[in-house]
Amino acid sequence: EDKVVQSPLSLVVHEGDTVTLNCSYEVTNFRSLLWYKQEKKAPTFLFMLTSSGIEKKSGRLSSILDKKELFSILNITATQTGDSAVYLCAVGTWAGGTSYGKLTFGQGTILTVHP
Amino acid sequence: ETGVTQTPRHLVMGMTNKKSLKCEQHLGHNAMYWYKQSAKKPLELMFVYSLEERVENNSVPSRFSPECPNSSHLFLHLHTLQPEDSALYLCASSQDYRGLTEAFFGQGTRLTVV
Repeated sequence: EDKVVQSPLSLVVHEGDTVTLNCSYEVTNFRSLLWYKQEKKAPTFLFMLTSSGIEKKSGRLSSILDKKELFSILNITATQTGDSAVYLCAVGTWAGGTSYGKLTFGQGTILTVHP
Repeated sequence: ETGVTQTPRHLVMGMTNKKSLKCEQHLGHNAMYWYKQSAKKPLELMFVYSLEERVENNSVPSRFSPECPNSSHLFLHLHTLQPEDSALYLCASSQDYRGLTEAFFGQGTRLTVV
């Protein structure tokens, strides 16, 4: 059974701090790793990683994938109160042929940023 | 706004009611999904549709019945639900069903079964 584990489960920081969120996985037929931010309801897409060692950046957020050690990290620098949300990691798998692809989600990390 | 719209946003229904959730995507995607998000549990995939054909139902109870009349619309018909079915139901779409492209989510329907 495919498994995605995120840590920590929750994190409380102050504005300006830098945080690192972790995602480890054990899956069959890995295709991609995705990060989402969920504030109220809809998870919003942040990054999709498919290659090891290539960092993706968007403003203060960055992420990198290690396919050998089976994990990814999401870094947020100079945190702001607007970064408070649940951060979800998902791993995309596909067995090929006519099978369907699947996203397996971790349980999420609840980030709270205090002013 | 992600291009995926769900209605209603909130729904309270009795265990004997029949209701439907609606999802519409304006992204030209070929695959649509229903996910269930219960408190303190990871998102669980319920159904996958690719080009209007259901490709997986993931062992969901028959009281949940999906319908995909075209590639832009997806419904989830609900009947005789149980209180433990109360959850956030999220619709998503992606360019293809092979998991090779990112999925975009709607705002979700918060369902409460009383």
